[in-house]
Amino acid sequence: DAGITQSPRHKVTETGTPVTLRCHQTENHRYMYWYRQDPGHGLRLIHYSYGVKDTDKGEVSDGYSVSRSKTEDFLLTLESATSSQTSVYFCAISVTSGSTDTQYFGPGTRLTVL
Amino acid sequence: KQEVTQIPAALSVPEGENLVLNCSFTDSAIYNLQWFRQDPGKGLTSLLLIQSSQREQTSGRLNASLDKSSGRSTLYIAASQPGDSATYLCAVTYNAGNMLTFGGGTRLMVKP
Repeated sequence: DAGITQSPRHKVTETGTPVTLRCHQTENHRYMYWYRQDPGHGLRLIHYSYGVKDTDKGEVSDGYSVSRSKTEDFLLTLESATSSQTSVYFCAISVTSGSTDTQYFGPGTRLTVL
Repeated sequence: KQEVTQIPAALSVPEGENLVLNCSFTDSAIYNLQWFRQDPGKGLTSLLLIQSSQREQTSGRLNASLDKSSGRSTLYIAASQPGDSATYLCAVTYNAGNMLTFGGGTRLMVKP
């Protein structure tokens, strides 16, 4: 599992509330990613980070913000959750070995916004 | 916008069959291609990664090939088993450390 944990694993919240999801890695890999997975849309990138305090937007970043104050933690925040943000959220890291960059995924967080 | 397509969307085979899953991508300037497995309600498990300079990679009963010029990759599973039942996803990246663009997946069922 490449030492990736996500918390919480499941969350139910109400529309309009803020939500923060946490991704933690046990090694010092530079790149971290947040994806969401939805039926009919597959996996899509929300935001990614290429170092402490260095982040950038992905394909579906509207309504989401991220922060990375430590190498090992990458936080995803929904400032005001909406029902369209009901999804499964996956964190990933990129592990470099020689000239190869392989992405490994965490177990996922299932978020339901009522 | 790069697009990744996987055909078929679902496949059901009897145990013991050899099978091929297909992945195509519109922009052939890929950096690498990864195949993943996802069990229901679970995360993604990396199966194989092929760098753009490589033609194939093998791991046990799995063999992945890459033809960059035609924008295609295949995942060959030999002697399929019920435990191989899962969704198989391919994904490409265009730069080191860059985002993965995923196909929609092939849902495989291997019947005993």
